[in-house]
Amino acid sequence: QSALTQPASVFGSPGQSITISCTGTSSDVGGYNYVSWYQQHPGKAPKLMIYDVSNRPSGVSNRFSGSKSGNTASLTISGLQAEDEADYYCSSYTSSSTPSVVFGGGTKLTVL
Amino acid sequence: EVQLVESGGGLVKPGGSLRLSCAASGFTFSSYSMNWVRQTPGEGLEWVSSISSSSSYIYYADSVKGRFTISRDNAKNSLYLQMNSLRAEDTAVYYCARNSGNYLYYGMDVWGQGTTVTVSS
Repeated sequence: QSALTQPASVFGSPGQSITISCTGTSSDVGGYNYVSWYQQHPGKAPKLMIYDVSNRPSGVSNRFSGSKSGNTASLTISGLQAEDEADYYCSSYTSSSTPSVVFGGGTKLTVL
Repeated sequence: EVQLVESGGGLVKPGGSLRLSCAASGFTFSSYSMNWVRQTPGEGLEWVSSISSSSSYIYYADSVKGRFTISRDNAKNSLYLQMNSLRAEDTAVYYCARNSGNYLYYGMDVWGQGTTVTVSS
């Protein structure tokens, strides 16, 4: 149950697009289309932004999109806004030993 | 309103026990798989455990296996986490989270506000 690898920080300016990567293995990200992305503002609970690699829950802005290639999933935020500044976590289903969920270490997005 | 409310956190000595509860409202609790996810201060998220709607499927992270027990009471719309043999490294905010379907691979679309567990002598 090793954590997925995310960059510690990403920076962007309002209106720009950024991409956050999430690298795992063939036992998790690469093996299943069950990657989710969560946004967490300071002192708040996480919020589901993307599920099943690229699907957005109702109410989530279409500025958020997800994709996957091999063992790496990506979250792209277009038209950056100040309120997008938050921590972002990816997660994936894995059944390498027993079924479980593994999270990435998190990425701090700063909107300059 | 769909809501999850955790309770039961607190200060406990190493080796002690604690039972967390999560009260669900605003949705058909018995139709969804549920999870406990924790977050250490200033750190990332760690999945702890998952239980399917009828308690048929229960899974644990290696870090808590044998010490923690997840359970649910669908009649009371409640989720529980019994934590035994607590260690300093179990200190965290514990979140209750709902899967959007009835298995742990579904995204977690509803989260509680969290309850804080501190393990210290």
